[in-house]
Amino acid sequence: NAGVMQNPRHLVRRRGQEARLRCSPMKGHSHVYWYRQLPEEGLKFMVYLQKENIIDESGMPKERFSAEFPKEGPSILRIQQVVRGDSAAYFCASSPVSGADTQYFGPGTRLTVL
Amino acid sequence: SQQGEEDPQALSIQEGENATMNCSYKTSINNLQWYRQNSGRGLVHLILIRSNEREKHSGRLRVTLDTSKKSSSLLITASRAADTASYFCATDATPQGAQKLVFGQGTRLTINP
Repeated sequence: NAGVMQNPRHLVRRRGQEARLRCSPMKGHSHVYWYRQLPEEGLKFMVYLQKENIIDESGMPKERFSAEFPKEGPSILRIQQVVRGDSAAYFCASSPVSGADTQYFGPGTRLTVL
Repeated sequence: SQQGEEDPQALSIQEGENATMNCSYKTSINNLQWYRQNSGRGLVHLILIRSNEREKHSGRLRVTLDTSKKSSSLLITASRAADTASYFCATDATPQGAQKLVFGQGTRLTINP
């Protein structure tokens, strides 16, 4: 059973471009969580999604950031018009059911904005 | 501010010694979890302790939870070079269960050979 997959692992964008980060949850998992980690810091929650629904987006910046988890395909975290402050590691986690204790994390996507 | 705060921020010990890391949090929780992160890598789940538990063991790991003090500790016994990593505590306080984990800043552990 493959773990949580994220791609790309590294992404370089120039200011003003768009970044698309993909996350495929573990097989059988229908709950996806996105976290952001700035250098030398812990992870901060961004958004929690189930298939076709955003459950909690309280950690998402109000502008330029959006997330989706369609019926088919991976979850996408989209950052429009990136700025240098968006440079960070973005981690996706998944769990099988709502209320499951453990979230399983992917390897992360490291975004660098030039 | 962060729900969880670890201390120390950095810890350097000799191989074979025990390492203790502490975590404090602010609100009532459902459970508290410890994760390990090797440099530049993803997070690996180590152990979960529920709010009604006081101590839990897994191999060389021992976790305690004191809900009255809102604190937890992670003890790694007989440390090895491979234990070098950052360790994070994460709390789950959502009523419905693990929807939003709140992480501390982490403790950077270095095991010297």
